[in-house]
Order: sequence, then structure tokens, then C-alpha cells
Amino acid sequence: DTEVTQTPKHLVMGMTNKKSLKCEQHMGHRAMYWYKQKAKKPPELMFVYSYEKLSINESVPSRFSPECPNSSLLNLHLHALQPEDSALYLCASSQDWSSYNEQFFGPGTRLTVL
Amino acid sequence: GQQVMQIPQYQHVQEGEDFTTYCNSSTTLSNIQWYKQRPGGHPVFLIQLVKSGEVKKQKRLTFQFGEAKKNSSLHITATQTTDVGTYFCAGSDGATNKLIFGTGTLLAVQP
Repeated sequence: DTEVTQTPKHLVMGMTNKKSLKCEQHMGHRAMYWYKQKAKKPPELMFVYSYEKLSINESVPSRFSPECPNSSLLNLHLHALQPEDSALYLCASSQDWSSYNEQFFGPGTRLTVL
Repeated sequence: GQQVMQIPQYQHVQEGEDFTTYCNSSTTLSNIQWYKQRPGGHPVFLIQLVKSGEVKKQKRLTFQFGEAKKNSSLHITATQTTDVGTYFCAGSDGATNKLIFGTGTLLAVQP
């Protein structure tokens, strides 16, 4: 299984809502990533988990809260988001955390904040 | 901080024409990867280059890493409609494990 799955595919939420994005992989990868991608822009790294520990937080606002419950799962908890947070949120995984490893991306969650 | 720029931003070609996208980094790279993102899709890994001056081929695609390891190119020979999408390079300066994605080149192919 060389797939990264993400749910939901689409999410519309108000600025006062709390929601969560989920990501799963069964490739035995030990590094997992969250990226944010705006239209016509490259993916921007948000968080990196290595061996279930948060290794990088790219100065992401606290209204985004990542969680790695186990080596196969990655969540992104959302609270009090702003309309400018509307974007495609991509999860990725790799063998381990190294720039030399191929990253496998999930299909993404398209988030709209009203 | 490290910046990776790609040119052109957008290219429209007739099917059968060749296409090249160039990737330039502000810093020397330890390695560079290329990804393709189809419209409405997600990035998919194509290849990695590590050595100075390295050239790799995948069917109609040719990838090069510059001698100074600050630039790279992707050339597609005889484009097909299936080549449509955005091509991103992604490199690391080796100081961290982070991959910095280039700005991307969107390729449109007219049948």
C-alpha cells in the first residue's frame, strides 16, 4: 500500500468552528508532514513529525494544532480560523525525515473558511 | 532564507513541441527533487538528483542538476496532453532536512 489518505476531501467551516483534518499512511513511514497550498502557489511546509515527535513548526499560528497519535496517523486540529486560511491542506509522508527521501502526498483537504 | 525560483511561471505549447522549466536556488543545494501536480491533484514525485552535473532521463523527460548545484532543469520532448500540470522543483540546502519547493511552472498542452 503506497497511499496516503486524507479526510475529509472538502471542508467548509465558520470562523468559530472547531474541526479536524485526518491523514493516514500504512507504508511504515516515520516522517509525516502538513503542508498548506494556496491556488497557483507551491506547497508551504507547516509541521514535520519524526517518529511521532513534532520536529518542525514553521511559525504556524496556534489556531492550527497538529497531533500524531501513532506512527500511521496525523491530525490537524483547526479552531477559530480566518478566511485567509482557506487553502488545500496536504499531508505527506516519507521513509524518515530527510530531504533525500521521496515524499508521498495525500489528495488533500480543500478547506473553505467563511 | 533559502529561495527557489522557477521560470517560466506558465507555458502553453502545442502537442508535440518541447518544453523546458528552469529552477534556480539562492543557495547551493545538497539535492533536488522534481514533482508533478496535475490540475486538481496532489504533488507526485518524479525524480531526485544529487550529484553535480547529474543528468537523468525518464522516457521523454530529461532532468539536469547544474555543476554548481544551484540550478536544475526539466526538459520534456514532444509534449503530450498527459504532460499537463504544474512542475515543481524542491531542494534542500543540507543545513536542515527541509525541502523548499520552487514557485512552479504550469504547463498547458493544446492538442
